[in-house]
Amino acid sequence: GAGVSQSPSNKVTEKGKDVELRCDPISGHTALYWYRQSLGQGLEFLIYFQGNSAPDKSGLPSDRFSAERTGGSVSTLTIQRTQQEDSAVYLCASSLAPTSGVNTQYFGPGTRLTVL
Amino acid sequence: AQTVTQSQPEMSVQEAETVTLSCTYDTSESNYYLFWYKQPPSRQMILVIRQEAYKQQNATENRFSVNFQKAAKSFSLKISDSQLGDTAMYFCAFMKHVTGANSKLTFGKGITLSVRP
Repeated sequence: GAGVSQSPSNKVTEKGKDVELRCDPISGHTALYWYRQSLGQGLEFLIYFQGNSAPDKSGLPSDRFSAERTGGSVSTLTIQRTQQEDSAVYLCASSLAPTSGVNTQYFGPGTRLTVL
Repeated sequence: AQTVTQSQPEMSVQEAETVTLSCTYDTSESNYYLFWYKQPPSRQMILVIRQEAYKQQNATENRFSVNFQKAAKSFSLKISDSQLGDTAMYFCAFMKHVTGANSKLTFGKGITLSVRP
């Protein structure tokens, strides 16, 4: 079946603009995760959704970052008033429900964000 | 909090040879999972192998196997018969077990593996 998809693949924006990044998880996966990959910080967890709720949003770096998930499927990560340090690859992953006993996360191809 | 350490930033191996990638971790958790992910230049993170901490037997997936030493908190990946397609960045990752819930991955910094023809 189809894997995790993310759009856009690449996004270039100007400092101060808002951006929205989209993630479409594997069908049937109720858990969804956002991570950020940057040269200086490596791979960092941002937020985790179970269904439409976010039990763990501890990795969001500032209040400029927010995420939502609707219908238990697609998720949008929004960065307001982008800064140059937001430049990174944003990765989305999904996994089955915890009751499945299988918690392996499957990743999308990522969105490369460049803030000029 | 958990930490994952990959101390080797780069490694190189001849095609068809065997290579071992090192990973250590620190945690106070008793039940957890460990993963190796591969990230080729295409950027797609691909699961290589997974190990449950409660299992003493080392996981194996075709040419990939792990040496899991729970007491030493070590989780190394062995790639046998290296192929050119194995060239990628490899990340070691930790996930704690949470009853009835999913949990985030904590990653190491990664190691760049180059397979030479």
